[in-house]
Amino acid sequence: QKEVEQDPGPLSVPEGAIVSLNCTYSNSAFQYFMWYRQYSRKGPELLMYTYSSGNKEDGRFTAQVDKSSKYISLFIRDSQPSDSATYLCAMSAGGYQKVTFGTGTKLQVIP
Amino acid sequence: DTAVSQTPKYLVTQMGNDKSIKCEQNLGHDTMYWYKQDSKKFLKIMFSYNNKELIINETVPNRFSPKSPDKAHLNLHINSLELGDSAVYFCASSPAGGSDEQFFGPGTRLTVL
Repeated sequence: QKEVEQDPGPLSVPEGAIVSLNCTYSNSAFQYFMWYRQYSRKGPELLMYTYSSGNKEDGRFTAQVDKSSKYISLFIRDSQPSDSATYLCAMSAGGYQKVTFGTGTKLQVIP
Repeated sequence: DTAVSQTPKYLVTQMGNDKSIKCEQNLGHDTMYWYKQDSKKFLKIMFSYNNKELIINETVPNRFSPKSPDKAHLNLHINSLELGDSAVYFCASSPAGGSDEQFFGPGTRLTVL
């Protein structure tokens, strides 16, 4: 079993839809949870960052962490064609521990 | 004004050759990383340095040797290149450790023929 599981997609949605992206994990030591967005042929860039359980909202993006279920989600409201990218979940136990990435979900938002 | 830069951007070479990839960050960060991203987009940590000191060394063949001459630079040298080394290699940096945001470079696309 991989430490972090993420559905690779691809996920194709119409413009304006609500998108839900999810990851599950097995390492209960993870405390820091991140979502990175990666456009084609570019490096990943941080989109959302959450410590421990709870929700965090930033504009059209909401990140949720449920540590009891070892499940994290990213919601994108009013999706735009510019949101078309690969979304990578990532998590870490903190300190100088490594960050473990999911395999990424490729999202396409169709105008 | 690039925060994390890598050279070269593309590298095409024959099996058995030795090659290097260079990385520089101007963010003043203490920690730098090398990641390998395969064709399925899986991003895997290879090495991490903090203030020129190796702190993470994943299960990587010893043909791969990182070098950090100072905390702003982390280079990756690969000996005896193999077909399976073909991937995109990303350099990243962060202020401190794994709980911080990592800033990624543009990647080096390595193709081994």
